[in-house]
Amino acid sequence: AQTVTQSQPEMSVQEAETVTLSCTYDTSENNYYLFWYKQPPSRQMILVIRQEAYKQQNATENRFSVNFQKAAKSFSLKISDSQLGDTAMYFCAFMKIRGANSKLTFGKGITLSVRP
Amino acid sequence: DVKVTQSSRYLVKRTGEKVFLECVQDMDHENMFWYRQDPGLGLRLIYFSYDVKMKEKGDIPEGYSVSREKKERFSLILESASTNQTSMYLCASSFGGLYLTDTQYFGPGTRLTVL
Repeated sequence: AQTVTQSQPEMSVQEAETVTLSCTYDTSENNYYLFWYKQPPSRQMILVIRQEAYKQQNATENRFSVNFQKAAKSFSLKISDSQLGDTAMYFCAFMKIRGANSKLTFGKGITLSVRP
Repeated sequence: DVKVTQSSRYLVKRTGEKVFLECVQDMDHENMFWYRQDPGLGLRLIYFSYDVKMKEKGDIPEGYSVSREKKERFSLILESASTNQTSMYLCASSFGGLYLTDTQYFGPGTRLTVL
């Protein structure tokens, strides 16, 4: 079974600064997907970024980028130039590729507060 | 834009009541999911469905059942609500296919309180 660990329950960052959210996972799979989801205080969960394990290049989406270390099973999210709208809960999630009907396994989440 | 809607944002029920939570998606997605979200526990999968009338148990199916009679609608049923089912319930959907690796799109959630 896969597990996803987000060891920091809360973080705070000053507006315009950079923050990194940590995530580690445990799996015996070789091919899989990793995701970061954002859940703002209004509660609608949205996808921030996703990474295919077979790709060595780290995924980026505007101010969001990941540091994917496959051997270390680490998948951190870097938010550059933090904005007040980045205040949210962030979830790291894992999905294996092999076989049909693969499921998402989520970490416990981290609450990020961006200070003005 | 993908839209996933849930029938209620807030719901208050009494112990022993039968509760229906409805989820509708408008993007012709094959797959639909029900999660519950609790502080400190993240999201846990209750049930999912990859086709009409098909369902599979997730990680915590006990005390719940589901129904998918139409492709766009996925219902979560609490046969006899209990206080430990007080939680936030999130519905999600995604495109189908053999590998089920497409992004999941989430609804706004239903905050259920069982008294």
